[in-house]
Amino acid sequence: SQQGEEDPQALSIQEGENATMNCSYKTSINNLQWYRQNSGRGLVHLILIRSNEREKHSGRLRVTLDTSKKSSSLLITASRAADTASYFCATDGSRMDSSYKLIFGSGTRLLVRP
Amino acid sequence: KAGVTQTPRYLIKTRGQQVTLSCSPISGHRSVSWYQQTPGQGLQFLFEYFSETQRNKGNFPGRFSGRQFSNSRSEMNVSTLELGDSALYLCASSLRGLGAEAFFGQGTRLTVV
Repeated sequence: SQQGEEDPQALSIQEGENATMNCSYKTSINNLQWYRQNSGRGLVHLILIRSNEREKHSGRLRVTLDTSKKSSSLLITASRAADTASYFCATDGSRMDSSYKLIFGSGTRLLVRP
Repeated sequence: KAGVTQTPRYLIKTRGQQVTLSCSPISGHRSVSWYQQTPGQGLQFLFEYFSETQRNKGNFPGRFSGRQFSNSRSEMNVSTLELGDSALYLCASSLRGLGAEAFFGQGTRLTVV
């Protein structure tokens, strides 16, 4: 089962509007990553935010992290039709053996209408 | 530099058969992880390899196995295929694993009939 939940499950907006997606997780983390997936293809890495960071920007993307609430948000500003995709958050909990295991949220399906 | 390469992209197999999927990570990356994506279960961790050693394994039956070669390329094998194994299998490459970014390939779409 997945650790994270994303909200909303689906989002439909007009081109040019902003899109906000939220992610919640359950255990302590090293960092949180956001990915985009187009039509069941591979995951495209968008941004990584470390547990000691509160906000990070990359182009039209803004990610916030609140470790006290175990939540993160992804804001896409001035959305374009090409942003239509599913968006996932993924966390990697700290572990003694340094092994790498990402726990994914359930994803938000974003539709940007032209 | 080249991204993560997964082969084949699509595969159709019959129940009971076995299948081997391949993943070539980004040059210099030593951690390779595998994930299964299905509509019902979402993205689930299968296993992670680092320098030819399996460091972690997800909650999948023993029919799912993998290995990593000295050049960091990885393969996963599924034996005695079941209909429920139909999924998109994704490989992730990371420089060192924990704490670093993970980059994914395009995936292998496996259909079991």
